[in-house]
Amino acid sequence: SQQGEEDPQALSIQEGENATMNCSYKTSINNLQWYRQNSGRGLVHLILIRSNEREKHSGRLRVTLDTSKKSSSLLITASRAADTASYFCAGNTDKLIFGTGTRLQVFP
Amino acid sequence: NAGVTQTPKFQVLKTGQSMTLQCAQDMNHNSMYWYRQDPGMGLRLIYYSASEGTTDKGEVPNGYNVSRLNKREFSLRLESAAPSQTSVYFCASKSGTGGSNQPQHFGDGTRLSIL
Repeated sequence: SQQGEEDPQALSIQEGENATMNCSYKTSINNLQWYRQNSGRGLVHLILIRSNEREKHSGRLRVTLDTSKKSSSLLITASRAADTASYFCAGNTDKLIFGTGTRLQVFP
Repeated sequence: NAGVTQTPKFQVLKTGQSMTLQCAQDMNHNSMYWYRQDPGMGLRLIYYSASEGTTDKGEVPNGYNVSRLNKREFSLRLESAAPSQTSVYFCASKSGTGGSNQPQHFGDGTRLSIL
């Protein structure tokens, strides 16, 4: 399988805490993307980081990319109950290769 | 603005039956994709279409066929359904070609059970 791996598989935190998710991938990529999936819904794009970028911010999201280690991390700061969802990374070559996802539970 | 629309949302089939999953996007995107999502496996690409009139196999194409009917529509067909094809199927689209720095836009999925 070409799928990437995400760590941890599941994460439970309190509102206001930060959540960090890690992703490893197997092939060289043009960019890496993070998606959120709420229960019973499709994936929603969060942020894209290009292969020549090392860090990117969008609101409460911070993404890093280390192409030498083929890894990325997603940090959600000051988490909210509404952030409860599954989060997937996807490396992009000519198509997306998804990781296995992290299930985040944020308790009020 | 509907985005990506998938029909049906739910379906139960018997082994050996055939069916077509429909997908339509209204964003004038060139590329369209079909994925399946199984527990603990993330999304796996079944087929994709980089432009109208072209289709290519993804990671798990066996047992499926696709048709890019026009720029808006991309259908997925199961000719003889098997229990192993029980899954949630997602359609997605994006502007530009596969390697471009553009995100994919997803439908809400079709939940398919094969008995």
